[in-house]
Formats: sequence, structure tokens, C-alpha cells
Amino acid sequence: SQQGEEDPQALSIQEGENATMNCSYKTSINNLQWYRQNSGRGLVHLILIRSNEREKHSGRLRVTLDTSKKSSSLLITASRAADTASYFCATGSLSPASKLTFGTGTRLQVTL
Amino acid sequence: DGGITQSPKYLFRKEGQNVTLSCEQNLNHDAMYWYRQDPGQGLRLIYYSQIVNDFQKGDIAEGYSVSREKKESFPLTVTSAQKNPTAFYLCASSIQADPSTDTQYFGPGTRLTVL
Repeated sequence: SQQGEEDPQALSIQEGENATMNCSYKTSINNLQWYRQNSGRGLVHLILIRSNEREKHSGRLRVTLDTSKKSSSLLITASRAADTASYFCATGSLSPASKLTFGTGTRLQVTL
Repeated sequence: DGGITQSPKYLFRKEGQNVTLSCEQNLNHDAMYWYRQDPGQGLRLIYYSQIVNDFQKGDIAEGYSVSREKKESFPLTVTSAQKNPTAFYLCASSIQADPSTDTQYFGPGTRLTVL
């Protein structure tokens, strides 16, 4: 089963613009994580936000978490062509520990 | 892709054959995972192992088997019972020291095609 639903499924923006991706989930979580996947490659961890946190920053990334709405957003500021990839949210379960459930992903295209 | 290797990168199988996908990590991580990814989809968990000689079924374990005889190795066998095995298979590992902050490190993947 897939916990997360991401919105939009695909996003196309120009370099320098901001990109916002949203993730909704269904059950209680331990944490929520965002991963990036370049085409045909493995996933790379971007950022983790714990269930008791509301906002977190890392470089050009900003993640928010609203546990009352069971939703999260990932903002990439000042996007670059190299940001072109698929982005997945993943929810960490309460039990068993460390088990992640991935969303369906947002495919981001950044054009020059 | 860090210290996780998967082999082969591409694998072709005839119907009715079992195949084994390799996953090795040198990160000294306790936990290892196998995921399946279909085109345009997210990852679905096949099996995971939190410690040597122990593993649990994930969400789509039918038609797959695993072993965890060594900490650094977690091979996945796709059996002939798996009806639709063509997919991209990803292996991952994690430290698992603190569940609230545990993140996963992924290998480069194996693309399996059934002919």
C-alpha cells in the first residue's frame, strides 16, 4: 500500500522560479522524509522532519508538516536545471521502526 | 549511491526462471530493504531486515524470497511465482540507531526484464 499521495504529479517551471510539491498521508507517522530520484537511478535523501516539528530548512529546501491535516510540502527555491528529477515523500512508521512508505512522486522539470 | 552496490544493473529473465539480485553495503548498517518500482510509480516494499538472520515481509512479498546471512548482504530472489516481475528493483539500508531520524541510503538499482 502507498501511504502518500503527491500533488502535482508533474510540474514544469523555468530556472529561477520556486517549485512547491505537496504530500498527503493517511495514518500517524514518526517522521516524514523527502527523497529525490534522477531518471533510472537510486533515491537520495533530501530532508527529514519529525512529527513534532512544523518546518525545516536545508539550503534551498523548505519543508513544512501539518499533522492535523496529514500533509507536507516541499519548496525548492530558485530552481536550477539540475533540480530536474522526481521527488518522493516517505512516511516513517511508528512501528516497526524505520519502515518507510513512499508516495507516488512528483516529476519536476526545470527548463532554462 | 553511497556504499551500497547492486548487481547486475540490467537483468533479463525467461519466464519460469528464478533470478537473484545482489545487494551489498559497506556502511555497517543494521537494516536493509528491497523495493520494487514500476514506471511512473512510487516504491513498494518487498522485504526488509532489521538484523542478521531475521527479515519480514513488506507489502508485496508474494513471489519473492530473501536471506540475511551476513550484515552486509541482502540478496533478493525473484521466483517463477511472481507473475509480473518486470520492474526496477531498489535496495536500501539504514543505521536504525534512532527511528525518529533514521534515513535510508539507496543503491543504483537493477532493472529486471522478463522476456
